[in-house]
Amino acid sequence: DAGVTQSPTHLIKTRGQHVTLRCSPISGHKSVSWYQQVLGQGPQFIFQYYEKEERGRGNFPDRFSARQFPNYSSELNVNALLLGDSALYLCASSVGQGSYEQYFGPGTRLTVT
Amino acid sequence: QKEVEQNSGPLSVPEGAIASLNCTYSDRGSQSFFWYRQYSGKSPELIMFIYSNGDKEDGRFTAQLNKASQYVSLLIRDSQPSDSATYLCAVRYSGAGSYQLTFGKGTKLSVIP
Repeated sequence: DAGVTQSPTHLIKTRGQHVTLRCSPISGHKSVSWYQQVLGQGPQFIFQYYEKEERGRGNFPDRFSARQFPNYSSELNVNALLLGDSALYLCASSVGQGSYEQYFGPGTRLTVT
Repeated sequence: QKEVEQNSGPLSVPEGAIASLNCTYSDRGSQSFFWYRQYSGKSPELIMFIYSNGDKEDGRFTAQLNKASQYVSLLIRDSQPSDSATYLCAVRYSGAGSYQLTFGKGTKLSVIP
C-alpha cells in the first residue's frame, strides 16, 4: 500500500510569493493534518481536516490556509511568504479524526529567499 | 500554552544498553501521549502511544506514563546503532473537537557501537 505522498519534494520561493503544497493521504484515511517543522525544532501543528471540514487550527497567521478535497487529498497554501516560513512542511494522515495512529508523509522542504 | 519539554541531548549510550528518554508536559488536560522517531532528513514515524498510567511495552520499547507527575518516558532496551535518531515526544489534548499533537523539540540519541 502506498503511504502518504506529498509534492513537491523541494521548493524555492522568493519573499512575498505564494506557495501551494499538496498531500495525498493513505487510501481509506479521511483525516489530514499539516505541520511545520523548523530545523532543530519539533513539528508544529497548523491545521487538521476531516471529511473536508477544518477541525483544528494552530497558532499560525491568516496567510496560511488549507482545504481538503472530496478524495481526501489536501492543499496547504501560504501567501506573502516570509523568510521565517522556510521549513519542512509535513502532512499526516489518519483513518479518523481521533485516530491514535497518524502517519507522516516525506514532507516538502520549502526555502524562502 | 501547552508545552512539551525534552532534553535536547545528545544522549549517548553504548550498544546493548538501555536508553531512557524523558518528557514532561504542562497541560493536565492532555489525554494521550506519543513517541515518534525521526532520522536525519526524514519524516517522523510513530513508535508507540500511551494513554493510561503505567507501562506499555512493544518489543524493545517501553513507554511509561505518570499523569500525576505529568511525565512520560520511553525506554529502549538492547539499543542498536540503528536506533540513533531524534526522538520526539508528542502530547494530544482533545478539546473543542481538535486532535492536534503538540511536540517537544526532540532528544537526539546516539548509540555507540
